Amino acid sequence: EVQLVESGGGLVKPGGSLRLSCAAAGFPFSSYSMNWVRQAPGKGLEWVSSIRSSDNYIHYADSVEGRFTISRDNARNSLYLQINSLKAEDTAVYYCARAGSDGWRFEFWGQGTLVTVSS
Amino acid sequence: EIVMTQSPATLSVSPGERATLSCRASQSVSSNLAWYQQKPGQAPRLLIYDASTRATGIPARFSGSGSGTEFTLTISSLQSEDFAVYYCQQCNNWPLTFGGGTNVEI
Repeated sequence: EVQLVESGGGLVKPGGSLRLSCAAAGFPFSSYSMNWVRQAPGKGLEWVSSIRSSDNYIHYADSVEGRFTISRDNARNSLYLQINSLKAEDTAVYYCARAGSDGWRFEFWGQGTLVTVSS
Repeated sequence: EIVMTQSPATLSVSPGERATLSCRASQSVSSNLAWYQQKPGQAPRLLIYDASTRATGIPARFSGSGSGTEFTLTISSLQSEDFAVYYCQQCNNWPLTFGGGTNVEI
């Protein structure tokens, strides 16, 4: 059974930083591309960042480029998102999602971790 | 950026009825289109990928169709557990983008 468990969310002041983690289990982690997707309270889904399995090629949404850094540790079956220079509009539930084997659909999702940016 | 537009924003239906949800892309995404279901307080769940392929464990009452810029998700006979928000997502170009969602309500 595929399991994705996010952690690291919390309340942070504007300009602050957090590191989100996603622990993966139940599949060969190193073989799959991984993603972060967020959802602001009461709003829709927004793709944040992706990291490809084959070569660690990385993509970011324009809204987070230069402030967020995605990374993975295949030995630890873990995905990370370092988020810096936080803004109020970054307040959201952040989901870790596994990509499909042959495309950038989000095949499995974690339960999410809430990041709240407020003074 | 490819803009995904879903309609209607809200769909009011009764159990047992057929529901048809639309998703339009601002430019062609070929068949690289996925549909998700999200219930309150839960993570989204993949329903359909490659425009028409049901994900593992998804009931046959869910079907997807379309290619290029026009896509449809059909729920043939709504069950009580199907009342939720549905999102489409294009997987063809960066950045990956979602539609705004359709809320299927009673």
